[in-house]
Amino acid sequence: AQTVTQSQPEMSVQEAETVTLSCTYDTSESDYYLFWYKQPPSRQMILVIRQEAYKQQNATENRFSVNFQKAAKSFSLKISDSQLGDAAMYFCAYRRLRSGSARQLTFGSGTQLTVLP
Amino acid sequence: ETGVTQSPTHLIKTRGQQVTLRCSSQSGHNTVSWYQQALGQGPQFIFQYYREEENGRGNFPPRFSGLQFPNYSSELNVNALELDDSALYLCASSYRDGGQETQYFGPGTRLLVL
Repeated sequence: AQTVTQSQPEMSVQEAETVTLSCTYDTSESDYYLFWYKQPPSRQMILVIRQEAYKQQNATENRFSVNFQKAAKSFSLKISDSQLGDAAMYFCAYRRLRSGSARQLTFGSGTQLTVLP
Repeated sequence: ETGVTQSPTHLIKTRGQQVTLRCSSQSGHNTVSWYQQALGQGPQFIFQYYREEENGRGNFPPRFSGLQFPNYSSELNVNALELDDSALYLCASSYRDGGQETQYFGPGTRLLVL
């Protein structure tokens, strides 16, 4: 079974600074997807960024980028120029690629990010 | 704004009762997944429906059941409610196209069982 581990329950960053959230995962599969979701106090889970395991290039979305290390099974999220609106719980998630099966997400336990003004 | 809606937003039930939660998928999506998120934890997969058929199930007992309708909206039913069923219930819709399938979440239903 796949597992996702987020070892930082809480992180804080000064506004306009950069912060990196860590995630490791365990799988025996070679093809899969990895995601970072953000859950603000409003509770709605919002997709931040997605990475396909077969792609060497790290995904980026504006101020958000990932450092994907497939051999190390590591998938960290870097937030540059942090803004107050970035404050939320961040979840790392894994999904298998194999067709014909349920495409459920396996989530980590989350990292609560606080942005200090 | 993902286009996925859920109702109701909050619900209070007593132990032993039954509850139905509803989810309306994003337009064009044919797959819906349900997750349970206990306080302070990551979401746990309950089950997934694809074209009105259950397509996978997590480690949840049979008293958790679901339906997907022809318009791809969905229901989650929980019978014989227990105190531990108190949680945020999230639905996520997606379009199954052979690989690239991103799940978009609704705002959730907060269930409290007393």
